[in-house]
Amino acid sequence: DAKTTQPPSMDCAEGRAANLPCNHSTISGNEYVYWYRQIHSQGPQYIIHGLKNNETNEMASLIITEDRKSSTLILPHATLRDTAVYYCIVRLPTGTASKLTFGTGTRLQVTL
Amino acid sequence: DTGVSQNPRHKITKRGQNVTFRCDPISEHNRLYWYRQTLGQGPEFLTYFQNEAQLEKSRLLSDRFSAERPKGSFSTLEIQRTEQGDSAMYLCASSLFRDTKETQYFGPGTRLLVL
Repeated sequence: DAKTTQPPSMDCAEGRAANLPCNHSTISGNEYVYWYRQIHSQGPQYIIHGLKNNETNEMASLIITEDRKSSTLILPHATLRDTAVYYCIVRLPTGTASKLTFGTGTRLQVTL
Repeated sequence: DTGVSQNPRHKITKRGQNVTFRCDPISEHNRLYWYRQTLGQGPEFLTYFQNEAQLEKSRLLSDRFSAERPKGSFSTLEIQRTEQGDSAMYLCASSLFRDTKETQYFGPGTRLLVL
């Protein structure tokens, strides 16, 4: 699976949009971009995933650049409960390479 | 609650003792994964099952570790002769694998402390 690069930490004011970047310059054509987050002392929580088109769900939006070498996770109106470590993961659709390979993620701190 | 559940949530043991953790996946999920997470790091893959079959094991899974999923439902992870380096959060995830698509959903984890 392709490697990802994320900033180690970011701050965001409550109510503002949080934009979390991820670089995955070695991504291959059939690899998906997944985002998970982990609130302190809890298990990772699935947020969203995409292949090449932008995706939106009730939690967030995922913007993938046209060359697919980077992506941005957008939390449109961050709240204090969004404070967590956010992981960007690139993986093949499935088959034998089913495991998720986590990096160290971005620690997002949402402040008043 | 229809999410992944793990028991116990916390375990303190003495070095050399055996411990066993249990994971109950989301109903009808055919894949079950185990990960380990140490402080400040992201989760690391240990092993996974599709139904009863254990399909992959990481080299992190030493011979002191064994995992089972006897009826394709719940799974257990046993660590024999625990060492202080085994102290970590042990995470379970499940997914419905179908038509090359799957999304893994994680449980709350079992935090192990080996004294």
